[in-house]
Amino acid sequence: AQKITQTQPGMFVQEKEAVTLDCTYDTSDQSYGLFWYKQPSSGEMIFLIYQGSYDEQNATEGRYSLNFQKARKSANLVISASQLGDSAMYFCAMREGYETGNQFYFGTGTSLTVIP
Amino acid sequence: NAGVTQTPKFQVLKTGQSMTLQCAQDMNHEYMSWYRQDPGMGLRLIHYSVGAGITDQGEVPNGYNVSRSTTEDFPLRLLSAAPSQTSVYFCASMGTYEQYFGPGTRLTVT
Repeated sequence: AQKITQTQPGMFVQEKEAVTLDCTYDTSDQSYGLFWYKQPSSGEMIFLIYQGSYDEQNATEGRYSLNFQKARKSANLVISASQLGDSAMYFCAMREGYETGNQFYFGTGTSLTVIP
Repeated sequence: NAGVTQTPKFQVLKTGQSMTLQCAQDMNHEYMSWYRQDPGMGLRLIHYSVGAGITDQGEVPNGYNVSRSTTEDFPLRLLSAAPSQTSVYFCASMGTYEQYFGPGTRLTVT
């Protein structure tokens, strides 16, 4: 079974609007971490946001927020007020066994295009 | 502060050749890892290390070796290159929450 599933290969959003990128995960660990990364066309991997499995509040970082629904095992990224520079690939990732230190798993990514 | 550095940026190998991809970090992080990125497949973990002298296999370890003699360095060795190892390779090191990536190495095996 896939550890991280991103079901949207490509998404389009109008500039200044909000967009949600979906991510579901699969783990039997109680302690784990969830991450989102941005990869622009230049190729570097940029960390956006982190959510720990025990965090009760949804993580936020500027225009990025992570909609964490533990029972549904989903960790969707919400980008508010989209900008042209948000056009990129977005990867959801999970680190299992946080306290015992361990493996990362990445999804296949979502390509986001922001339309002027 | 250099963060995570990788060399080389580009490399072309012939089938059967061996080489080492270098990775270094200056943030004193214990956790370091190597990934490969193939089109449509996201990043897949090759090997990782939770500290000097400790390494473990990730999802796709076959054909690769690693060692971790210091906290700073985590080289990845390709023992006998194959065309299936054509990919972009990323090294990363992890702080408390954030994983810092190197700029990547684009490897082509002919």
